[in-house]
Amino acid sequence: NAGVTQTPKFQVLKTGQSMTLQCAQDMNHNSMYWYRQDPGMGLRLIYYSASEGTTDKGEVPNGYNVSRLNKREFSLRLESAAPSQTSVYFCASSEGQTGELFFGEGSRLTVL
Amino acid sequence: GENVEQHPSTLSVQEGDSAVIKCTYSDSASNYFPWYKQELGKGPQLIIDIRSNVGEKKDQRIAVTLNKTAKHFSLHITETQPEDSAVYFCAARAPYGGATNKLIFGTGTLLAVQP
Repeated sequence: NAGVTQTPKFQVLKTGQSMTLQCAQDMNHNSMYWYRQDPGMGLRLIYYSASEGTTDKGEVPNGYNVSRLNKREFSLRLESAAPSQTSVYFCASSEGQTGELFFGEGSRLTVL
Repeated sequence: GENVEQHPSTLSVQEGDSAVIKCTYSDSASNYFPWYKQELGKGPQLIIDIRSNVGEKKDQRIAVTLNKTAKHFSLHITETQPEDSAVYFCAARAPYGGATNKLIFGTGTLLAVQP
């Protein structure tokens, strides 16, 4: 099993450009999440989807949108990238809303 | 809301020594405290967790202790090995209605085990 797969692994954007980070899980999990990881700040929740068809804001949702395309896939979109969105982004999934989180390997995004 | 502080930010130990990482939380309603290990270039992975109805939990060389009164919990690694070198994150979750896995993470501890 691949677990949680994120694409792309690396991306460089210019300020104002848009892009979508893709995430797919093959564990039949109901819940999916997007986190960002910044030095000295740990992991912060951007958006989550408790189940297919639902999404909700986390701690730091501003500047992002998400789509739960189906049970397997959960994408994160930056409509107009800003340098403050330079970060490592992690997608995660869990069987239930309170189960163990399984993380992907991360997507490193640089906004110039 | 919940706030989690983690110390130290970096920790260097000799192989075979013990390592201790400490976290404090602010919300007394928090009842679940996992620890995640992140190896270089990988995503975090759960290594142990504890719920508020127990004070200690062990899994081979790893143990976690919880002091609800003081609102702090700690990760203990005994007989450290080079493969224990990684970043460790603590987290806390409060059981509010409708809340999903809204874990609040600490800022991480970079553990280096010197051979």
